[in-house]
Amino acid sequence: GAVVSQHPSRVICKSGTSVKIECRSLDFQATTMFWYRQFPKKSLMLMATSNEGSKATYEQGVEKDKFLINHASLTLSTLTVTSAHPEDSSFYICSARVPLAGAYEQYFGPGTRLTVT
Amino acid sequence: AQSVAQPEDQVNVAEGNPLTVKCTYSVSGNPYLFWYVQYPNRGLQFLLKYITGDNLVKGSYGFEAEFNKSQTSFHLKKPSALVSDSALYFCAVRVTYNFNKFYFGSGTKLNVKP
Repeated sequence: GAVVSQHPSRVICKSGTSVKIECRSLDFQATTMFWYRQFPKKSLMLMATSNEGSKATYEQGVEKDKFLINHASLTLSTLTVTSAHPEDSSFYICSARVPLAGAYEQYFGPGTRLTVT
Repeated sequence: AQSVAQPEDQVNVAEGNPLTVKCTYSVSGNPYLFWYVQYPNRGLQFLLKYITGDNLVKGSYGFEAEFNKSQTSFHLKKPSALVSDSALYFCAVRVTYNFNKFYFGSGTKLNVKP
């Protein structure tokens, strides 16, 4: 149980275009999901907290107009990188917590490798 | 502010030897601490957690971690390393307010040589 999937696993897009990444909780409902960005050989940087049915909460320094987050259902959150630039190239990972008492850990998706050319 | 520090970028051990990956934390209130492992181009896999109770926590794949409140540490250990343990290891602290966000250490690359 507690499986989180991401789609696509890899995506290449041209500079100036937008790309959408999906994060799904497959066997549980997640009212809250998290989006992280990971640079090569670096830690995960929390970008935003995605809340079902409401606006995402962005971490300081993350451009909300560039990284659009939509949490339209209890099993799906999407991250759209708008007007992508090469510096947006990174590994993007989502996570979710099983909403059960005593379940503290987060479960992570397999990640999406974004390359902007 | 909540923070997690992993002082070693890389740890090298020989297969069969014990391994330790270090983690220290700074958190307001009681710490909720976690270890995750990441293989290349993959997401993070949960290894173990400390919430309360025994200071020695046992997790997946033979790993364990010792919570030390006085030293604010949560070091990951394994008695006998395997080559397949080679990966990137992250320590994390969970913030108990504001959607229970996680903050991660910088990661430690574990290399186990045969």
